[in-house]
Amino acid sequence: AQSVTQLGSHVSVSEGALVLLRCNYSSSVPPYLFWYVQYPNQGLQLLLKYTSAATLVKGINGFEAEFKKSETSFHLTKPSAHMSDAAEYFCAVRGLTGGGNKLTFGTGTQLKVEL
Amino acid sequence: DTEVTQTPKHLVMGMTNKKSLKCEQHMGHRAMYWYKQKAKKPPELMFVYSYEKLSINESVPSRFSPECPNSSLLNLHLHALQPEDSALYLCASSQPTGGLWGEAFFGQGTRLTVV
Repeated sequence: AQSVTQLGSHVSVSEGALVLLRCNYSSSVPPYLFWYVQYPNQGLQLLLKYTSAATLVKGINGFEAEFKKSETSFHLTKPSAHMSDAAEYFCAVRGLTGGGNKLTFGTGTQLKVEL
Repeated sequence: DTEVTQTPKHLVMGMTNKKSLKCEQHMGHRAMYWYKQKAKKPPELMFVYSYEKLSINESVPSRFSPECPNSSLLNLHLHALQPEDSALYLCASSQPTGGLWGEAFFGQGTRLTVV
């Protein structure tokens, strides 16, 4: 079964600093990959998606991610963190099993932004 | 309209009660999902309906019973739940794209407490 691994359950950055959240996928075939953000007591909001078109994907709120097949990675970055970016971030993969309709999440990374 | 609407937002029920969670989307999506999310954990897939047919059941206990009356509605019927079933229940929907299912759009969730 396809899966994603998020390194670092907690990441802390200063406001204005680079944000880097790591995600690695396990798949012999490039899957569809997604990054979602979740604020407390809310649902999940899609930040960006990779669907085998461009390898550098730009999303909402200034986030972007680069698909690197050689490293099986899909790390999320933002050049300058803002206080409002503090939230839980989930990487997710949709693979070819289950009719291609199984969306599986990583364990999540809690991002803290400090003044 | 890019919303998935879940009702109620909060639900407290006793272990002998019967209740239902409701989910509605008007984006014309043909797949709908139920996820369960415990605190500080990623969402866990419970059920998937594709074209109004149950396509994935992740070995969920029978006290959870899904229903998809039409392509816009998804219900989750609850009966004889246990306190450990207390969680945030998330509904999502998606549309096929490029041979796979695309990104999932999530509702705000129902916070369920079993007493």
